[in-house]
Amino acid sequence: QVQLQQSGPGLVKPSQTLSLTCAISGDSVSSNRATWNWIRQSPSRGLEWLGRTYYRSKWYNDYAVSVKSRITINPDTSKNQFSLQLNSVTPDDTAVYYCARGDSGTLYWGQGTLVTVSS
Amino acid sequence: DIVMTQSPDSLAVSLGERATINCKSSQSVLYSSNNKNYLAWYQQKQGQPPKLLIYWASTRESGVPDRFSGSGSGTDFTLTINSLQAEDVAVYYCHQYYNTPLTFGGGTKVEIK
Repeated sequence: QVQLQQSGPGLVKPSQTLSLTCAISGDSVSSNRATWNWIRQSPSRGLEWLGRTYYRSKWYNDYAVSVKSRITINPDTSKNQFSLQLNSVTPDDTAVYYCARGDSGTLYWGQGTLVTVSS
Repeated sequence: DIVMTQSPDSLAVSLGERATINCKSSQSVLYSSNNKNYLAWYQQKQGQPPKLLIYWASTRESGVPDRFSGSGSGTDFTLTINSLQAEDVAVYYCHQYYNTPLTFGGGTKVEIK
């Protein structure tokens, strides 16, 4: 059974970078069938998919247009995890952030991290 | 982007009665080459991440009680909860994975009447 363990700070100052990590157990970040996603949830935006990374003989990334200029999702094969970096955050980026494993369209979610953007 | 619209926003159902949630996509999520609808349903209880209930519009995830069922095709879908139980109080989301960006409905809150 796949488990996802999220880590990272819960408070980020405006204009700084939000960084979260999702450690994977029970699967490999280099899996040829899974995708590794970041999704956030806030009262104003609902559930918002941010992007994903996946391996299909080489690494691919897809990002939501709304954050494309600010986001990076990277796999770390040595630690079997993947990360989210969101630059130049504002209070509007305050949300619960989830990592999720995708497989044939299904999503299995990490526990979530509340990230507050405030000075 | 495919916009997912759910209705109603909330509903209150008596224990043992049926709850019906609708979801409409702004374009078809039926992939003609395999005749599959790229539509899933999730349940989210307070303080928890969403949990997969149904995928391919009507395939129940392992371990999900059979009182949960999904139906529909193309752009119109329904999640039905037969014989509502107290533990079914939650917010339910539809989700399309036909293309990126992956998108979700706004959620339907189910309560006990």
